[in-house]
Amino acid sequence: ETGVTQSPTHLIKTRGQQVTLRCSSQSGHNTVSWYQQALGQGPQFIFQYYREEENGRGNFPPRFSGLQFPNYSSELNVNALELDDSALYLCASSLATGGNYGYTFGSGTRLTVV
Amino acid sequence: RKEVEQDPGPFNVPEGATVAFNCTYSNSASQSFFWYRQDCRKEPKLLMSVYSSGNEDGRFTAQLNRASQYISLLIRDSKLSDSATYLCVVTLNQAGTALIFGKGTTLSVSS
Repeated sequence: ETGVTQSPTHLIKTRGQQVTLRCSSQSGHNTVSWYQQALGQGPQFIFQYYREEENGRGNFPPRFSGLQFPNYSSELNVNALELDDSALYLCASSLATGGNYGYTFGSGTRLTVV
Repeated sequence: RKEVEQDPGPFNVPEGATVAFNCTYSNSASQSFFWYRQDCRKEPKLLMSVYSSGNEDGRFTAQLNRASQYISLLIRDSKLSDSATYLCVVTLNQAGTALIFGKGTTLSVSS
């Protein structure tokens, strides 16, 4: 059974650019959530995808968007990057929506915006 | 007011010590409660769920007080390998619910 894998592991982008981060969910998991973790902070919920539909969104602007594919893998897209977007981006997969199901996190993508 | 607040830390304790972490949450509709552990530059991993009746897993004991909206984690006989950041997490009772994390409390166990 493979866990959650994210790519790339590290990325450096320039302010104003666009970035796409990728996540492959754990085998059998149909729900993917994305989190942003700034240095010294806890992860903050960006959004969740269930069966290819957005199923909940945190307090992030529209330039943060996502997709989920039929194989339940997912992408996080961020447009018009700002310096404050520098963070660790975590993907978590689960068997279904709802906090009673276990979440498995990937090791994250560390994004630096310069 | 933040949705989940934790002791700011850091906690620096010797091996064998008992250490307690406290956490409060603001939304009385919160339904599920967890402690996650995060090692430096790694992803969070579920340590244990927290129930109103309290639950224990080896050296770790978690308690939930819904009336006070308070969650605790007790670690007995601390080991060097317990050094990490401990994240208090709640979820709300709604579809597509998100994990709401506290800022985390860092524990450093020294020999």
